[in-house]
Amino acid sequence: AQKITQTQPGMFVQEKEAVTLDCTYDTSDPSYGLFWYKQPSSGEMIFLIYQGSYDQQNATEGRYSLNFQKARKSANLVISASQLGDSAMYFCAMRDNYGQNFVFGPGTRLSVLP
Amino acid sequence: DAGVIQSPRHEVTEMGQEVTLRCKPISGHNSLFWYRQTMMRGLELLIYFNNNVPIDDSGMPEDRFSAKMPNASFSTLKIQPSEPRDSAVYFCASRPQLWTGSNTGELFFGEGSRLTVL
Repeated sequence: AQKITQTQPGMFVQEKEAVTLDCTYDTSDPSYGLFWYKQPSSGEMIFLIYQGSYDQQNATEGRYSLNFQKARKSANLVISASQLGDSAMYFCAMRDNYGQNFVFGPGTRLSVLP
Repeated sequence: DAGVIQSPRHEVTEMGQEVTLRCKPISGHNSLFWYRQTMMRGLELLIYFNNNVPIDDSGMPEDRFSAKMPNASFSTLKIQPSEPRDSAVYFCASRPQLWTGSNTGELFFGEGSRLTVL
């Protein structure tokens, strides 16, 4: 069974600073996909970034990058130059190779301080 | 393009009543997922469909919950009878065919249906 762990219930970061949100996962599948989603206080789920298990390079999307360490089974999200609008819940998620199981971690609440 | 559409956005009902939540996935997407989100349990996968067929309903809490997908453009999640502990936000999400329609497989979420059972 697949499992996602996010050990930081809450994080604070100063505006314009970088922040790392931790995610570790457990799976026996050789091929899988890892995702980060953002949920602002308005409630919608916003896809941020994707990393495939066979991707050689870490994924980047604008100010978001994914620090993928396959041997450690970790997929940490790095947000550079934090903005006040980054304050939200952040969820790490994983799907299997067939895309038929998509599980989420418990989330980390990020607060960006002015 | 229209996203995933869920209705109702908010539902308040009394214990024992039947509740039906509806979802219209993005056209062309062939996988559909239902999630429940609570403070205590986070985002729980209830059931997912592939090409209108339920693939795994092991996340459905109990027999009071049922889900159907009669065609590619419509799905329902029904709770009968409802209980206060069913109060949550229920999300529907869809995705195109993996590897042919999408190489990543990210889910596209609706805005959620907030259910309150009194």
